[in-house]
Amino acid sequence: DAGITQSPRHKVTETGTPVTLRCHQTENHRYMYWYRQDPGHGLRLIHYSYGVKDTDKGEVSDGYSVSRSKTEDFLLTLESATSSQTSVYFCAITADRGHPEAFFGQGTRLTVV
Amino acid sequence: AQSVTQLDSQVPVFEEAPVELRCNYSSSVSVYLFWYVQYPNQGLQLLLKYLSGSTLVKGINGFEAEFNKSQTSFHLRKPSVHISDTAEYFCAVNRGSQGNLIFGKGTKLSVKP
Repeated sequence: DAGITQSPRHKVTETGTPVTLRCHQTENHRYMYWYRQDPGHGLRLIHYSYGVKDTDKGEVSDGYSVSRSKTEDFLLTLESATSSQTSVYFCAITADRGHPEAFFGQGTRLTVV
Repeated sequence: AQSVTQLDSQVPVFEEAPVELRCNYSSSVSVYLFWYVQYPNQGLQLLLKYLSGSTLVKGINGFEAEFNKSQTSFHLRKPSVHISDTAEYFCAVNRGSQGNLIFGKGTKLSVKP
């Protein structure tokens, strides 16, 4: 299994509070991604990173921000959590363009009440 | 823009029967194609991939898929399923130079004894 660790694995938070999810990899892969998974929607890309301090938005980026200060860590922040952000969040990594297959973490189940 | 359509949201099948999970994609450029499997409360695991070359690709657990460029399809097949194949299956297409994956909405395979 690819060395990807997501933390926390489960979290319940209140509406309006900030929340940070962490993704840590030990593979030294260049690309890192955050997806959310919701029933009937599959996985949708929130943000991604193509290097340290290089990030870009995905299709559902509103209300989220990311940071990548080290190759191994990619943080996802919900600036002010809303109930619509209740979801399962997955981190993924890919090595480079020649190896485009992604490897996924175990997920973080976030509930906003 | 690229998109992925999984034509069946649920597929029930009896044990030892063959199964086909259908996937169509839209893209104006060459793509990489993937199938992932997700067991309950777990992350996504790569089942197989098509990058180039032979259009018939074999993956883990006896699954295979055929890339059909003219029909823009990448259907997943297994000649004889087991109870343990019960899971959700996702088709995905590589997006752009950054390697972002676009996912279908998933197909839940339910194998009955």
